[in-house]
Amino acid sequence: EIVLTQSPTTMAASPGEKVTLTCRASSSVSYMHWYQQRSGTSPKLWIYETSKLASGVPNRFSGSGSGTSYSLTINSMETEDAATYYCQQGSSYPYTFGAGTKLELK
Amino acid sequence: EVQLVESGGGLVQPGRSLKLSCAASGFTFSNYYMAWVRQAPKKGLEWVATISTSGSRTYYPDSVKGRFTISRDNAKSSLYLQMNSLKSEDTATYYCARLGYAHGWFAYWGQGTLVTVSS
Repeated sequence: EIVLTQSPTTMAASPGEKVTLTCRASSSVSYMHWYQQRSGTSPKLWIYETSKLASGVPNRFSGSGSGTSYSLTINSMETEDAATYYCQQGSSYPYTFGAGTKLELK
Repeated sequence: EVQLVESGGGLVQPGRSLKLSCAASGFTFSNYYMAWVRQAPKKGLEWVATISTSGSRTYYPDSVKGRFTISRDNAKSSLYLQMNSLKSEDTATYYCARLGYAHGWFAYWGQGTLVTVSS
């Protein structure tokens, strides 16, 4: 099973601040996918195949990485970006998720 | 617009069974792999099961293998999860999800249905 480790677990960012969330895989994966989950709602696909933005995702978001190291970056933090972000690998079964990074507004 | 609506959750005693349903609309159901993902209260996400377009292939993690069965009815655009021998650790919100075109990610999610396993 591929274990995904996200860091940090929690962080706070001010409006306009650049934010980078990381996800490390215990073995190499072909792609990483990211989900945003706001409190009390279902998760939403946010970034797929490492760097492709899902429909409706603002272009201040970007994704990058390869092998065992991946990241999600917000170019300029906005209020609506406060949420928990999960990474997920679908390269091999069992599909696995990271434990999530809770991003709060400072 | 893609819509996934789960139903069938509730309170069930340990060792008993429960069957979840997911009604899909807004896309050609038979063209996509489908899945169930769960989230225990205040915890992270856990993949539970995936089924191929025809239903001939199914995949499970060890935590539910042999107890849960995923199935689909393409004529009814419906997805199911039969859960047997339920344990307290199966308590979670269960989400129905449509996979992406390359199957590796969960492109759309339902609103979830809560399953509580308790005596």
